[in-house]
Amino acid sequence: GQNIDQPTEMTATEGAIVQINCTYQTSGFNGLFWYQQHAGEAPTFLSYNVLDGLEEKGRFSSFLSRSKGYSYLLLKELQMKDSASYLCAVRDSNYQLIWGAGTKLIIKP
Amino acid sequence: TAGITQAPTSQILAAGRSMTLRCTQDMRHNAMYWYRQDLGLGLRLIHYSNTAGTTGKGEVPDGYSVSRANTDDFPLTLASAVPSQTSVYFCASSETSGESTDTQYFGPGTRLTVL
Repeated sequence: GQNIDQPTEMTATEGAIVQINCTYQTSGFNGLFWYQQHAGEAPTFLSYNVLDGLEEKGRFSSFLSRSKGYSYLLLKELQMKDSASYLCAVRDSNYQLIWGAGTKLIIKP
Repeated sequence: TAGITQAPTSQILAAGRSMTLRCTQDMRHNAMYWYRQDLGLGLRLIHYSNTAGTTGKGEVPDGYSVSRANTDDFPLTLASAVPSQTSVYFCASSETSGESTDTQYFGPGTRLTVL
């Protein structure tokens, strides 16, 4: 079966750095996506990785290791507005997105 | 640009009744998708359409039907609602469906409660 694992919830402090991990087992791999979803709102696209390594986009970076079936999202200089759920999704061999349940990130002052 | 709109925003529906959730995009995207999101679970694909005139079944299609008469609209119909269809429904679209870089963009969602 196909499986995406993420921690259910994480807590971090404003101004700090947090790393959200995602491990996956899917039938084929055609890219990995991270989305942000604020409570009661739609998911919004954050980042995309298809090759191994780190992709940096401002305060957010995403890392991929295809051999380990592993990715992480790194958020720096945390702000209160970063409180949200972060969804990991993998595009499988049929080009469908398989979604993790999401990690709820709580930022404390 | 509006992007993707969904209607209604929320709805309470009696079991056994039918309902159509509407989804319209103005980005001229070829591919469209319907997901449901339930607490503790990842987004699950109900149905998809790679281009106008074609549709396909996702992971959880039972009890739902879709049509894609044109590029912009992708309605989702529940023929006879059951309480297990209580969920938040998201419509999404992407420029194409066969590229690894295709990014899906989501509508604001419809919160449906079936009693």
